[in-house]
Amino acid sequence: GIQVEQSPPDLILQEGANSTLRCNFSDSVNNLQWFHQNPWGQLINLFYIPSGTKQNGRLSATTVATERYSLLYISSSQTTDSGVYFCAVVEKNGANSKLTFGKGITLSVRP
Amino acid sequence: KAGVTQTPRYLIKTRGQQVTLSCSPISGHRSVSWYQQTPGQGLQFLFEYFSETQRNKGNFPGRFSGRQFSNSRSEMNVSTLELGDSALYLCASGWTGGIGELFFGEGSRLTVL
Repeated sequence: GIQVEQSPPDLILQEGANSTLRCNFSDSVNNLQWFHQNPWGQLINLFYIPSGTKQNGRLSATTVATERYSLLYISSSQTTDSGVYFCAVVEKNGANSKLTFGKGITLSVRP
Repeated sequence: KAGVTQTPRYLIKTRGQQVTLSCSPISGHRSVSWYQQTPGQGLQFLFEYFSETQRNKGNFPGRFSGRQFSNSRSEMNVSTLELGDSALYLCASGWTGGIGELFFGEGSRLTVL
């Protein structure tokens, strides 16, 4: 099956700094989503971005499907951005309903 | 518009018992899928239902089962609980399944003693 790798595994930032989170995947995908897991465990949708670029406030994401990677940009980070960020994909030629997750990136933003 | 609702949020069971978790998807969504999250294995796909039919199943033992009702609400059941079944169980809802955007509930946190 498809492999999803996220980097770096851990990231510590000072409030106000910018960061880039990376997601590499090993095969063509139909779906790519970025999530932020809150302290209570819920996965909060950040972007649905199988290709192209999207922006939402201080966050933006770019997926280059032909090169099999996606980037999540966080600008002017805030302490509330802390948590675990997951990238998840649906393999194009696999079972079309299964999200495969990366292991996540743990972000800590210090005041 | 209500989000994905999972019940119960927290539960404690003992080994050998069984448990049933419920998921109500976003109104109009016909796909419901279930995921297990543990510290060691991360987030893993359990199964997906669409219009009351199981379309896809992950690599879990037969103790894990599910079903979907005509109103798209879904339940998953774990029988003969083991300590390793302690996990956060997350339900996702979508219009068509994995090709479109999926939305997750708050999860059901199961502890097996």
